[in-house]
Amino acid sequence: DGGITQSPKYLFRKEGQNVTLSCEQNLNHDAMYWYRQDPGQGLRLIYYSQIVNDFQKGDIAEGYSVSREKKESFPLTVTSAQKNPTAFYLCASSMRDYDGVYEQYFGPGTRLTVT
Amino acid sequence: AQSVAQPEDQVNVAEGNPLTVKCTYSVSGNPYLFWYVQYPNRGLQFLLKYITGDNLVKGSYGFEAEFNKSQTSFHLKKPSALVSDSALYFCAVRDSVIYNQGGKLIFGQGTELSVKP
Repeated sequence: DGGITQSPKYLFRKEGQNVTLSCEQNLNHDAMYWYRQDPGQGLRLIYYSQIVNDFQKGDIAEGYSVSREKKESFPLTVTSAQKNPTAFYLCASSMRDYDGVYEQYFGPGTRLTVT
Repeated sequence: AQSVAQPEDQVNVAEGNPLTVKCTYSVSGNPYLFWYVQYPNRGLQFLLKYITGDNLVKGSYGFEAEFNKSQTSFHLKKPSALVSDSALYFCAVRDSVIYNQGGKLIFGQGTELSVKP
């Protein structure tokens, strides 16, 4: 988990509220990612960003939004439009693959519960 | 389309015995393959990767994986399992021919490894 922090570890929200999950990295990585993990479904990519001020939708972007104003930070907002937001959210970062193929480093995750 | 399959939801092994966690993949071009481990309520930890070259890849904590192109497989192995190896294991793939994907990985659904004393 070293180098990537996610806060808070547990988050509880009422249905209809937006909530923002924090992700910070000090690895000097250009690329950052947000995944959602549900039991028995592996990890699914929500959004990713290869560089500051640029990001792309992943496979399940509906109901989520992101920003990438700083290299170190990639916050994820879970909006009220996300129909089933309760899940474990993982942030990751990696070097950009200019000259190689690099693994992703993951944060400890945030468990979001919406009731 | 890229895909990864981990055919076993759970693998049970006795401590000291060899273990294998299976992974098969489908990509358009050459695969880049990864194994990660996840302990309860934690993030994923990188174990090893295959990019090119030797089909047998050695990684962290005594794990290794064998790339088999003809069988499109990348099984994770360890000669002697430890109780502390009990965790959730994920295989992931990138397709080398898909550019501008920002290192996007496709993950399998995970295999729960249980090592009993």
